[in-house]
Amino acid sequence: KNEVEQSPQNLTAQEGEFITINCSYSVGISALHWLQQHPGGGIVSLFMLSSGKKKHGRLIATINIQEKHSSLHITASHPRDSAVYICAVRSPNTGNQFYFGTGTSLTVIP
Amino acid sequence: GAGVSQSPRYKVTKRGQDVALRCDPISGHVSLYWYRQALGQGPEFLTYFNYEAQQDKSGLPNDRFSAERPEGSISTLTIQRTEQRDSAMYRCASSALGPTEQFFGPGTRLTVL
Repeated sequence: KNEVEQSPQNLTAQEGEFITINCSYSVGISALHWLQQHPGGGIVSLFMLSSGKKKHGRLIATINIQEKHSSLHITASHPRDSAVYICAVRSPNTGNQFYFGTGTSLTVIP
Repeated sequence: GAGVSQSPRYKVTKRGQDVALRCDPISGHVSLYWYRQALGQGPEFLTYFNYEAQQDKSGLPNDRFSAERPEGSISTLTIQRTEQRDSAMYRCASSALGPTEQFFGPGTRLTVL
């Protein structure tokens, strides 16, 4: 069983649609990260959360610590949002090791 | 430097050879992480350092893998007696101390023939 589960694995959306990617985790965490991996392979950190909600431009990330669940929302999606979105958690219970989800591959069609 | 750099960007080696992968973190970043990413998979944690001290090496697959960061800056991940299953993208990231944002390097694509 993976410590971090993401859904959906693949997502295709029309430009302008509101997108939600979900992440559930089973370990105690000190922080949760949302990462974006571009088609070229580069990884960029989007958000780091330990509680509540963060917003950056059209991206919104929320976390519910009690339910061990986080969501990444993209409003007014655009083809340049096409990428793999990865959820990662840092667990102090296991030496602050990071656990990663397998990613959600998003394709936004013009 | 402006960002995390890794070298080489690509490494092709024959099975049984040793390889050394280098990571140069963002200047001043205390924490340095090594990950491995197979094609189509998310990153897999290998090990991390705070300053020169290796904090957690539980993610290293076996004793052929080792890492060091002797002066608390540049780090080297060494794979001895490489095997084909070691082929992957090896990524390095750095951050300030604690649960803060990580900055990822471009990775080293290792291919073991």
